[in-house]
Amino acid sequence: EPEVTQTPSHQVTQMGQEVILRCVPISNHLYFYWYRQILGQKVEFLVSFYNNEISEKSEIFDDQFSVERPDGSNFTLKIRSTKLEDSAMYFCASSESGQPNSPLHFGNGTRLTVT
Amino acid sequence: DQQVKQNSPSLSVQEGRISILNCDYTNSMFDYFLWYKKYPAEGPTFLISISSIKDKNEDGRFTVFLNKSAKHLSLHIVPSQPGDSAVYFCSGAGSYQLTFGKGTKLSVIP
Repeated sequence: EPEVTQTPSHQVTQMGQEVILRCVPISNHLYFYWYRQILGQKVEFLVSFYNNEISEKSEIFDDQFSVERPDGSNFTLKIRSTKLEDSAMYFCASSESGQPNSPLHFGNGTRLTVT
Repeated sequence: DQQVKQNSPSLSVQEGRISILNCDYTNSMFDYFLWYKKYPAEGPTFLISISSIKDKNEDGRFTVFLNKSAKHLSLHIVPSQPGDSAVYFCSGAGSYQLTFGKGTKLSVIP
């Protein structure tokens, strides 16, 4: 079964550094998402992306965050200048359609640790 | 702002018995509700969904019930199996995003 893949599985970075988290969504999916889960807290929506544009973003997704689909297969999340509170598990997801009943397929996540 | 609440952080059930996981929501604009299951070191996996206009949806051992007037839904797993041990997330869907609850960790005891 096709799956969403994320790399790296664990990223350690120093505060103030830039990080890029990478994702390869399922090939025939058109909608892409990033979610995050801070340890002990709920999974939170960051951003959705369709047709090379952000379709929706949360208040967490401020100017420090950006997303890009640099080619036909990768979908990246960049954090420009990391803060301690950015430490979390970041999940990429994709879906066939953006309809509310279209299930999201999640990757296994990248654990980001900011020191 | 907890639009989706799962008030039980954990639940233990004997193998073969029924597991009932509960979820409450406050946002009346959700069109669908989706349950996801998560194993350690993996991403959430879609389990079952229900439209806001239905009151029940069944898929094998899994049934989701929706009580719209009470803004409450529940996931029933019967019979429960040890492989069902995981964290279960309830989510509400509207527009392009899912709003998740904090999850309930289900332990099925052999």
